[in-house]
Amino acid sequence: EVQLVESGGGLVKPGGSLRLSCAASGFTFSSYNMNWVRQAPGKGLEWVSSIISSNTYINYADSVKGRFTISRDNAKNSLYLQMNSLRAEDTAVYYCARGMGLGPRSNVFDYWGQGTLVTVSS
Amino acid sequence: DIQMTQSPSSLSASVGDRVTITCRASQGIRNSLAWYQQKPGKAPKLLLYGASRLESGVPSRFSGSGSGTDYTLTISSLQPEDFATYYCQQYYSSPPTFGQGTKVEIK
Repeated sequence: EVQLVESGGGLVKPGGSLRLSCAASGFTFSSYNMNWVRQAPGKGLEWVSSIISSNTYINYADSVKGRFTISRDNAKNSLYLQMNSLRAEDTAVYYCARGMGLGPRSNVFDYWGQGTLVTVSS
Repeated sequence: DIQMTQSPSSLSASVGDRVTITCRASQGIRNSLAWYQQKPGKAPKLLLYGASRLESGVPSRFSGSGSGTDYTLTISSLQPEDFATYYCQQYYSSPPTFGQGTKVEIK
């Protein structure tokens, strides 16, 4: 059974940093592209970042570029999101999501974690 | 970025009703469209991709259609467990973008 379990969320002050983790199991983690998608309270879904299976290509939403860093450790079956210079508008539930396959379908999100809440407030 | 617009934003329906949700892209996306269902406090769940391909395990009362810029999600006979918010998402070009969601409520 595919499982994605996020951790690391919490309350942080504006300008602060936080590192999210996503532990994957039930599939060959190193074969799949992985993503972070967020959802502000009461709002819709926003793709944040993606990293391909081989770690050689990374992409970010303009809203987080230069502040967030995605990474993965295929040996540990883990995905990470380092978030720096956090702003109030980064407050959201952050989901780890698996890309369905190669090529265009890598941006179809077929499995999601339960999410971890990040609150940026003074 | 490709903008995705869903309509309606919300609807009220009864069990057994046929429900249709529309998603329009700001440019052609060549059927690179997925639909997700989200229940309160839960993660989204993939329903369809490729505009009309049903994800494994999803009931056949869900179907998708469309082409070019206009797509629809249809629930042929609404069940109690289908009351949720539905999102479309294009994956034709980066960044992948979502519609604003359609909330399906009980009439």
